[in-house]
Amino acid sequence: DTGVSQNPRHKITKRGQNVTFRCDPISEHNRLYWYRQTLGQGPEFLTYFQNEAQLEKSRLLSDRFSAERPKGSFSTLEIQRTEQGDSAMYLCASSRRPMGDDNSPLHFGNGTRLTVT
Amino acid sequence: AQSVTQLDSQVPVFEEAPVELRCNYSSSVSVYLFWYVQYPNQGLQLLLKYLSGSTLVESINGFEAEFNKSQTSFHLRKPSVHISDTAEYFCAVSQMYSSASKIIFGSGTRLSIRP
Repeated sequence: DTGVSQNPRHKITKRGQNVTFRCDPISEHNRLYWYRQTLGQGPEFLTYFQNEAQLEKSRLLSDRFSAERPKGSFSTLEIQRTEQGDSAMYLCASSRRPMGDDNSPLHFGNGTRLTVT
Repeated sequence: AQSVTQLDSQVPVFEEAPVELRCNYSSSVSVYLFWYVQYPNQGLQLLLKYLSGSTLVESINGFEAEFNKSQTSFHLRKPSVHISDTAEYFCAVSQMYSSASKIIFGSGTRLSIRP
């Protein structure tokens, strides 16, 4: 178990630019989640995948945001035309089964911190 | 839809003192409940969870939480804290028996331990 890996750790970009983040879940985990966390707040759900299928998207995920998990393994989160309000920590998590099954908590990565200037 | 309220954004306590971090949730259906912890410069980790059965659940490092359905609460307690417990604690909820299995988090409580 090598844990959930997220890259890059930090990203600074200018407003209007596009950015892409990558998440490598724990191998054999079929569910992958994206959350966003701003200072002083808890993680906010963005979207999740079961294998390659995107099963739910939050209303927080505007049209500028898109996530993919093409082969059911790693996932990417792209933000187009970034805005200063997009500055946050983007967290990825994975799990092996549907939530609530025994011994199947979410495993979080360390996140990608995005700063939009 | 579910929601979680953590009323205390910060809780300062002295080392070896008891602590309680409050959590209340709102849901029209049965839920699973969780406490996650985030130590400085680390990712979120599961501390403990309530799925079913005994309403009192414990972690390996001395924390415990009690599910109170009538009060819709899941407060976290520890009888004697250590400096190493300094962290941010997040209460979270998930809908039971649902394919929509996302976890909803509270805004967090920062626990700071004074020597």
